[in-house]
Amino acid sequence: KAGVTQTPRYLIKTRGQQVTLSCSPISGHRSVSWYQQTPGQGLQFLFEYFSETQRNKGNFPGRFSGRQFSNSRSEMNVSTLELGDSALYLCASSLGASGGPGELFFGEGSRLTVL
Amino acid sequence: AQKITQTQPGMFVQEKEAVTLDCTYDTSDPSYGLFWYKQPSSGEMIFLIYQGSYDQQNATEGRYSLNFQKARKSANLVISASQLGDSAMYFCAMREGWTGNQFYFGTGTSLTVIP
Repeated sequence: KAGVTQTPRYLIKTRGQQVTLSCSPISGHRSVSWYQQTPGQGLQFLFEYFSETQRNKGNFPGRFSGRQFSNSRSEMNVSTLELGDSALYLCASSLGASGGPGELFFGEGSRLTVL
Repeated sequence: AQKITQTQPGMFVQEKEAVTLDCTYDTSDPSYGLFWYKQPSSGEMIFLIYQGSYDQQNATEGRYSLNFQKARKSANLVISASQLGDSAMYFCAMREGWTGNQFYFGTGTSLTVIP
């Protein structure tokens, strides 16, 4: 069974640009979450999508947005990039149904560097 | 207040010895799940073990066990018979309630296994 796939793995952008990251969840998983990981702030929750609807949102500015498609694939977009957006962006999928552990399965991440 | 606290930034353990990684949590929700993840230098987060708030027994998964002390709000990870491949960052995480997938992560503990 294929794991969570994130593309691209690495990218370099300059301030003011925008970026789109893609995530393909494990087959059958309907929930996709995004996390930002930085050395200073650790892992911070961005948002979660379930069946194409945003179910939860973390405390990030509106420059961070996402969406989920009918096949559960998800994209996140960051507009007007700032230096502080440099981070490892992790996508995680889960079944999303209530009950049971509901552990997250993570991709390898997209490492964004903003110059 | 921090939802998840990991007070050990770095730990060392001799190969084949056991090690305990500390985690305390803060929540007023009676329903929650506690998770431990391992993050090797490659960056991917690997799920290790889960403990539900209503579980009566401590969770175990192979060499991993979770020492769950509900009254003290602690969920320490015990790794028995440490191996060189256990060297990694370890994160404790919590999900409140049973719907939605907003996980709160601790700052992590860097474990180094010494041969």
